[in-house]
Amino acid sequence: GENVEQHPSTLSVQEGDSAVIKCTYSDSASNYFPWYKQELGKGPQLIIDIRSNVGEKKDQRIAVTLNKTAKHFSLHITETQPEDSAVYFCAASTGRWSGGGADGLTFGKGTHLIIQP
Amino acid sequence: DGGITQSPKYLFRKEGQNVTLSCEQNLNHDAMYWYRQDPGQGLRLIYYSQIVNDFQKGDIAEGYSVSREKKESFPLTVTSAQKNPTAFYLCASSRQGGITDTQYFGPGTRLTVL
Repeated sequence: GENVEQHPSTLSVQEGDSAVIKCTYSDSASNYFPWYKQELGKGPQLIIDIRSNVGEKKDQRIAVTLNKTAKHFSLHITETQPEDSAVYFCAASTGRWSGGGADGLTFGKGTHLIIQP
Repeated sequence: DGGITQSPKYLFRKEGQNVTLSCEQNLNHDAMYWYRQDPGQGLRLIYYSQIVNDFQKGDIAEGYSVSREKKESFPLTVTSAQKNPTAFYLCASSRQGGITDTQYFGPGTRLTVL
């Protein structure tokens, strides 16, 4: 099955600097890559996603890049702010249906992003 | 307000007891999911349901059961057969059953088995 590796596990940056979180996946058939932000004690919230037919997607200060050949994708946050502090998860899915059901999203283990004032 | 609600937020049970976690959505989504989250770990899929009266096992279904009698509800029962039930449980839903549809998560239930 799919395996998603996420690095780093903890990332500390100065407020205003950029943050980059990287993920690699194993199944070349994966075609959907969402990123979620989780604040303490809450459920994850989707912040951006990308599908395999594009290489980059931006939404204000957040961008995601995808390299299908290398099987990795990255989250970029520019001009970081204190409210960006949270745990970020990447995920991948092939979207295949097997045995009557669908392959689920496979999540990375998360990156704890700390924004230093 | 549209969204996904999970109750209760915190749940304590004695070892050997079954416990049911509630998940309700008013988004008119067809698909619903249950995930388990352990400290320092990603989310792992327990069960999912594409439509009413149908559900499929995920990666870690052993010791859990679900039902989907109504479109808006997808309760999860943690049985006494689950060897390590203490965890944060998250329910999600998506508009359709395709796994690449955006999944929206509820606030979670933290289950502690004493």
